[in-house]
This record gives sequence, C-alpha cells and structure tokens, in this order.
Amino acid sequence: GQQLNQSPQSMFIQEGEDVSMNCTSSSIFNTWLWYKQDPGEGPVLLIALYKAGELTSNGRLTAQFGITRKDSFLNISASIPSDVGIYFCASGGGADGLTFGKGTHLIIQP
Amino acid sequence: GAVVSQHPSWVICKSGTSVKIECRSLDFQATTMFWYRQFPKQSLMLMATSNEGSKATYEQGVEKDKFLINHASLTLSTLTVTSAHPEDSSFYICSAGGLAGADEQFFGPGTRLTVL
Repeated sequence: GQQLNQSPQSMFIQEGEDVSMNCTSSSIFNTWLWYKQDPGEGPVLLIALYKAGELTSNGRLTAQFGITRKDSFLNISASIPSDVGIYFCASGGGADGLTFGKGTHLIIQP
Repeated sequence: GAVVSQHPSWVICKSGTSVKIECRSLDFQATTMFWYRQFPKQSLMLMATSNEGSKATYEQGVEKDKFLINHASLTLSTLTVTSAHPEDSSFYICSAGGLAGADEQFFGPGTRLTVL
C-alpha cells in the first residue's frame, strides 16, 4: 500500500521556537491533510491542501503541498505549550480511507 | 459543524466477550464512515470502510468476521469486536467525511478497548 514517510519522529524544542516537519511519498497524491492528536483523543484536522504548490495558513500554522505532489511540510511558528501533541500527515480521503504518516511527537520545554 | 461522537469512550471486557462501539455523525449525514485502530505509540491504521446500506469494505489482514461493521443509518455506524482477546486491546477511532466532495475526514474521540 501507499506509505507516507514523516519526519522527524520527535522534536524537543523550547517554547517560542519555530517547528518544521514534513512528509514524503513515492506516490503522487491529490490531497495532503495535517492532523494533531492529543493523548487519548481522536485526531483534529489542522490544514487541508488540495493543489500542488498550495500554501495555506491556519493561525500560527502553515502547510504547503509540494509542487511534485509527493511531499508536504507543516510549520508552527512561535510554539506555545498547547502545541504539544502528535502531528500526523495523511492523504487519501473521499470514498477511501486515509493513509497516515507515523507522526511527529512534539515536546515543548518551558 | 462536522462533529463525530463515539460511545463508549473506554471499555474493559473479559476475553471471549463481544464489545460494540458506536460512531455517530452529529450534525451531518455520512454515507461513508471509516474505522481505524491505533496501537500505543503508533499511527492510525485503516481497518474498514463502512457504507450506509451495504457491506463494509475491509482492509487486507482485517478479519471481517471478527470486526463486524453495521452502518444502520446515515448518522450511525457500529463496530463490534467479537470474541475479543487481549491482542485486540487498542484505541479504536471512527471518522466521517466526504462533505461537499472534499477529502477531509473528521474523527471521533476514540474508544479505548482493554481486553483482560
């Protein structure tokens, strides 16, 4: 099946720092989605990308759909404690289920 | 909008018993819902696609006789784990999507199943 390679696996940063994570695939995708999951809860959609080259922001979050359609990145600016959690990239959707990356575990040190 | 609920939020059962998990779309109708499983410190893995009024479609390696899915209405899908064993202990999460033809899926809060 399709695989999404997400990196880094985990990040230890100081509060206020910027964060960057990315996903790559050997396959071309029409959609890239970024989710955040807090412990014991379901994932929450952060940003949806539908067009190659698209750059979309949601508050302090910015995500881009790579021009080759095989990658995407998510940036978080000026991190705050509530940004702690696991971030997943995902693709697919519509009538099909989503394929998820392995996640990036973000840990923020005050 | 796009709120999905799950019940129960957690359940503990004895080995050999069956457990039913409900997934509801609260403010929209979902012809398709999805069931995922997440083991500790791992990503979400799609188990099956639940289609209203028809049989579910299962991913490779997921036993359809063990994980029974019923999509009874446009707002309710149920997953029944039959004859549960400790290795079935996991976090089960449903999602719904397809709003306005978009690919986004909205997830329920998950159900933590522990089989003793």
